[in-house]
Amino acid sequence: DAMVIQNPRYQVTQFGKPVTLSCSQTLNHNVMYWYQQKSSQAPKLLFHYYDKDFNNEADTPDNFQSRRPNTSFCFLDIRSPGLGDAAMYLCATSRGAFYEQYFGPGTRLTVT
Amino acid sequence: GIQVEQSPPDLILQEGANSTLRCNFSDSVNNLQWFHQNPWGQLINLFYIPSGTKQNGRLSATTVATERYSLLYISSSQTTDSGVYFCAVVPQGGSEKLVFGKGTKLTVNP
Repeated sequence: DAMVIQNPRYQVTQFGKPVTLSCSQTLNHNVMYWYQQKSSQAPKLLFHYYDKDFNNEADTPDNFQSRRPNTSFCFLDIRSPGLGDAAMYLCATSRGAFYEQYFGPGTRLTVT
Repeated sequence: GIQVEQSPPDLILQEGANSTLRCNFSDSVNNLQWFHQNPWGQLINLFYIPSGTKQNGRLSATTVATERYSLLYISSSQTTDSGVYFCAVVPQGGSEKLVFGKGTKLTVNP
């Protein structure tokens, strides 16, 4: 089945230790998104790629970076995680801005 | 920017009951989606419905774009329907990003 896959599902990292979350898709969609969701809140867009064109949200901390080496894969790098970065991280894809977005199962990040 | 308001914020039902969730938005939209976030955190697509009516089993949705609202109907609710329901829109002429409402938390008791 075509889908959006995120690994790992649960990640524990230490304060200040770099961590990478991964997302892959078999939908061959042009756009890939990364969202952060904290408890009892709606998802918040961090950045997105339209093909190789990177679009960063104005309020996304510099601590967060992303890479998209090819159509299928996208990575979220957190350079120096703080306690406030503990959250669910959701990857999504779509054919384009006005098309349906499909979400992966998410990676729940804990920072100790 | 566009405002997306969902009501009610919380809803508690007995199994078998019907419910209606509402999403109001303040400007014209190109895209409207309803999602169900399950207890494990996954966002599951329910409907892509910028206008019109769709049905999928016990769920149906109606968007009246000219009046800037959408409704999600859940009939014969089951405990597995519990979770948070989000409405999200992409505004016309805007930033082409999905803007989420704050969600409706639904609890279905056996």
